[in-house]
Amino acid sequence: AQTVTQSQPEMSVQEAETVTLSCTYDTSESNYYLFWYKQPPSRQMILVIRQEAYKQQNATENRFSVNFQKAAKSFSLKISDSQLGDTAMYFCAFVDYNQGGKLIFGQGTELSVKP
Amino acid sequence: EAQVTQNPRYLITVTGKKLTVTCSQNMNHEYMSWYRQDPGLGLRQIYYSMNVEVTDKGDVPEGYKVSRKEKRNFPLILESPSPNQTSLYFCASSPMASGARHTQYFGPGTRLTVL
Repeated sequence: AQTVTQSQPEMSVQEAETVTLSCTYDTSESNYYLFWYKQPPSRQMILVIRQEAYKQQNATENRFSVNFQKAAKSFSLKISDSQLGDTAMYFCAFVDYNQGGKLIFGQGTELSVKP
Repeated sequence: EAQVTQNPRYLITVTGKKLTVTCSQNMNHEYMSWYRQDPGLGLRQIYYSMNVEVTDKGDVPEGYKVSRKEKRNFPLILESPSPNQTSLYFCASSPMASGARHTQYFGPGTRLTVL
């Protein structure tokens, strides 16, 4: 079964510093997509970044970047220059093509950015 | 603006009173899906649709119905709501074209309380 694990339930970081959120996954597929979603207090689910497994280059979106280690099945999110607006729950997710494109989510990491 | 909209955003109802939560997207996406989010259980897929007139069950379809008569709309129907359907519901859509396939964009969520 495809699984996604986030081992850090809570993290905190000072404003302007860098933080890394961890995610591991398990799949037998060779080509797939991985995502990080952000859920702020408004509860909206916002796509942060996407990584295609066949691309060796790590994805970046402004202050957000990933460290994708395919062999280790690891997909961490780095947030640089943290801002107060980054305070949110962050979910790592994996698309299960064998189950109709369902997103499988990790348990989430609650990130607090402190002034 | 490209978006997924849901209505209503908040709803309090009573057991057995049929209700519909609407979902609409303006991105011409083929794929649409409904999830529910519950504390301790994460996000679980209810139903999904690969295209017009094509729908299939997700992980927790009991007590729900869907239809996909038009590409842009994917309503979620609760024929006889029960308290265990109290939850936060998300509609999501994604393109099916390779390269962007299953990058799911979420609506703002619908908070449903069934008394």
